[in-house]
Amino acid sequence: EVQLLESGGGLVQPGGSLRLSCAASGFTFSNYAMSWVRQAPGKGLEWVSSISASGGTTYYADSVKGRFTISRDNSENTLYLQMTSLRAEDTAVYYCASGYCSGGVCYFVYFQHWGQGTLVTVSS
Amino acid sequence: EIVLTQSPGTLSLSPGERATLSCRASQSVGNYLAWYQQKPGQAPRLLIYDASNRATGIPARFSGGGSGTDFTLTISNLEPEDFALYYCQQRGNWPPITFGQGTRLEI
Repeated sequence: EVQLLESGGGLVQPGGSLRLSCAASGFTFSNYAMSWVRQAPGKGLEWVSSISASGGTTYYADSVKGRFTISRDNSENTLYLQMTSLRAEDTAVYYCASGYCSGGVCYFVYFQHWGQGTLVTVSS
Repeated sequence: EIVLTQSPGTLSLSPGERATLSCRASQSVGNYLAWYQQKPGQAPRLLIYDASNRATGIPARFSGGGSGTDFTLTISNLEPEDFALYYCQQRGNWPPITFGQGTRLEI
């Protein structure tokens, strides 16, 4: 069974930092691109960042570029999101999500498997 | 940035009826569009990718269509578990990946 388990969320003051982790199991993690998608309370989905299967290519939303860093450890089947200079508008549930593979074709940014999410609250 | 506009905001139907949800892109995304379902307190679930392909394990009552800027998600013969939020998402011109604002399907 595929599982993505996020951790590391919590309450942080504006300007603070936090590192999110996403532990993957039940699939060959190193074959899949991975992403972070967030959802502010009562709001819609917002893409945050994506990383290729090898970790060699990364992409960021403009709203987080220069403040957030996505990375992965394929030996540990874990995805990370290092968040710095946090703002109130970063408050959200953060989901990790895998790319989608079907019939030998893998799609970088269709999101097949999702974690349960971890809540990040930025407030003084 | 490509803006996706979903309509209607809320769709009220009954089990057994047919639902048609719309997603319009501010510029062409080819057929690079997906649909997701989200229930309260849960993560989204991928339903449709590349506009018309059902994802693994998705029932045949879900179908997608369209290309370019106009897309539809059709749910035939609504089941009680289908009442949820639905989002479209494009990968036609990224980054950034963008999502629509969502359509709430309610009984």
